[in-house]
Amino acid sequence: ETGVTQSPTHLIKTRGQQVTLRCSSQSGHNTVSWYQQALGQGPQFIFQYYREEENGRGNFPPRFSGLQFPNYSSELNVNALELDDSALYLCASSLGGRASSGNTIYFGEGSWLTVV
Amino acid sequence: DQQVKQNSPSLSVQEGRISILNCDYTNSMFDYFLWYKKYPAEGPTFLISISSIKDKNEDGRFTVFLNKSAKHLSLHIVPSQPGDSAVYFCAAKSNAGNMLTFGGGTRLMVKP
Repeated sequence: ETGVTQSPTHLIKTRGQQVTLRCSSQSGHNTVSWYQQALGQGPQFIFQYYREEENGRGNFPPRFSGLQFPNYSSELNVNALELDDSALYLCASSLGGRASSGNTIYFGEGSWLTVV
Repeated sequence: DQQVKQNSPSLSVQEGRISILNCDYTNSMFDYFLWYKKYPAEGPTFLISISSIKDKNEDGRFTVFLNKSAKHLSLHIVPSQPGDSAVYFCAAKSNAGNMLTFGGGTRLMVKP
């Protein structure tokens, strides 16, 4: 149990629709990162939020956007869904703006998104 | 361009024997390396890490070795147990960035 909770756990969307995924970080953690894990691959970094500001972004198009709230929970929004967006979306919480120590990065169980 | 590679998609080991999982990287800016374990339907769980200033870190049955000149690290599990069966991911980060770069994972199966 990492204390990082994500919702929903599974969802199915149609191509072109929009989706919002949610993450509650571990108590006391002020940094949330989002990763996309396609089937058979390792997680790919989408972006990170630190104290409500975007603090780094991976190679994902602008239709992937996010928010972090004052309680450090976070949302990942994906617009104009494409079939290739089908993946497991992982939220990771940590303390500080940088992943300075592996044992302070905790992952949630992920949200499985299927785009049909 | 895959900066972190795990070339073995799967590994099968007998219970009680050693499991060796390998990882190669290309980015010389990486200065911290981590191993995560992932069961189906769960998020990755942190196992062990190593800083680039060290060449070995041990935690119980798990040891990570780093060979900076070869840009290679390995995770040794001794003795392997059936409960170790999972997908193992190698990840790396640099001081210049705030993201983890993951390998593609190795599925370890430990047979009783």
